[in-house]
Amino acid sequence: KNEVEQSPQNLTAQEGEFITINCSYSVGISALHWLQQHPGGGIVSLFMLSSGKKKHGRLIATINIQEKHSSLHITASHPRDSAVYICAVQNTGNQFYFGTGTSLTVIP
Amino acid sequence: DAGVIQSPRHEVTEMGQEVTLRCKPISGHNSLFWYRQTMMRGLELLIYFNNNVPIDDSGMPEDRFSAKMPNASFSTLKIQPSEPRDSAVYFCASRIKGSPLHFGNGTRLTVT
Repeated sequence: KNEVEQSPQNLTAQEGEFITINCSYSVGISALHWLQQHPGGGIVSLFMLSSGKKKHGRLIATINIQEKHSSLHITASHPRDSAVYICAVQNTGNQFYFGTGTSLTVIP
Repeated sequence: DAGVIQSPRHEVTEMGQEVTLRCKPISGHNSLFWYRQTMMRGLELLIYFNNNVPIDDSGMPEDRFSAKMPNASFSTLKIQPSEPRDSAVYFCASRIKGSPLHFGNGTRLTVT
């Protein structure tokens, strides 16, 4: 049983396209995190949100608490956005549940 | 802020050898996590500490794995004896309440 489900698992896009990655979860949460991992690289936190919407540059994250769903959007995608994007949910303590990641490839 | 510092970056060892992974969390962070990442299972929590005290070690695979946090600025994860199935990338992360997880660059362990 996976507490966090991401879709799609793999995604290929042309440079400039609008990209959406989805995350659904089944547990009660205090916050949801979007993480980015480049090939062979470390893991970087992109967003931490508990309601509404956050924007950072070309990245937008939204969350619907009632529907237990979050989306990560990338506008005007670029090859440097190619990475694995991981959704993680945090309970009221320090327990984190991770999705299996969405591997994004942006083709020039 | 130097971020979370892990060492070594890569470790290749033979089956049966002892392996020690090290982590220095971000100063001021009071929670420290050890995760293991594999292609098959993604990120798995091994253990986490709060204020240097182990809180949840349910993810530690077996007695071959042990973790310590002797002070707020240092933690170790030890595998003894190591086995090929321990090959993975091991991440250390730290945070303070209300902040996201901050990950180190990971240690890529290969056990032959």
